[in-house]
Amino acid sequence: SAVISQKPSRDICQRGTSLTIQCQVDSQVTMMFWYRQQPGQSLTLIATANQGSEATYESGFVIDKFPISRPNLTFSTLTVSNMSPEDSSIYLCSVEDLNTEAFFGQGTRLTVV
Amino acid sequence: AQKITQTQPGMFVQEKEAVTLDCTYDTSDQSYGLFWYKQPSSGEMIFLIYQGSYDEQNATEGRYSLNFQKARKSANLVISASQLGDSAMYFCAMRGNTGFQKLVFGTGTRLLVSP
Repeated sequence: SAVISQKPSRDICQRGTSLTIQCQVDSQVTMMFWYRQQPGQSLTLIATANQGSEATYESGFVIDKFPISRPNLTFSTLTVSNMSPEDSSIYLCSVEDLNTEAFFGQGTRLTVV
Repeated sequence: AQKITQTQPGMFVQEKEAVTLDCTYDTSDQSYGLFWYKQPSSGEMIFLIYQGSYDEQNATEGRYSLNFQKARKSANLVISASQLGDSAMYFCAMRGNTGFQKLVFGTGTRLLVSP
């Protein structure tokens, strides 16, 4: 199983600012996924990050708001840009073994004030 | 399109008893995977158990077992001998097994284990 380190674990940010979340995996993985979990809700996929190409965004999420980098096979970042209180959520990165388990980082609990 | 339904917003169980968390799914994929995750108040998503659609036997991992009934499209999680530390949110999820596909999650069930 993959070990995923995600940081920061939590942050409180001022509206209008940006926060970059990092996700480090202990092994090379093809695909990394970024999810958002709004308060009291389930998880929703933001985008899929493949090394060497632009991320693929789900409906309702755009690159200008959630830019993603994937510089190599063990690392990815998600930036939440120009934050508003509605962006207060838990953000989670995930990696998957093809046809088997999918693992998550510890999550980043973001509060925008 | 894939859909996961968890009809139990909350469940209560006494310590040392078994509990079943319900999950039904809908998909047109022939090959797919079903997952259960535990989310404590810290927010991390802890992988519990995985069942492939072509697996003939129900998956088991320690105190967790998945009651997979393919014809009924259900994938219920059974936790045996509940412990206080089992109190958490539990999410059922599924994913198509053709290439890399996203996980689709249910709305979750909050489990409370009482002494």
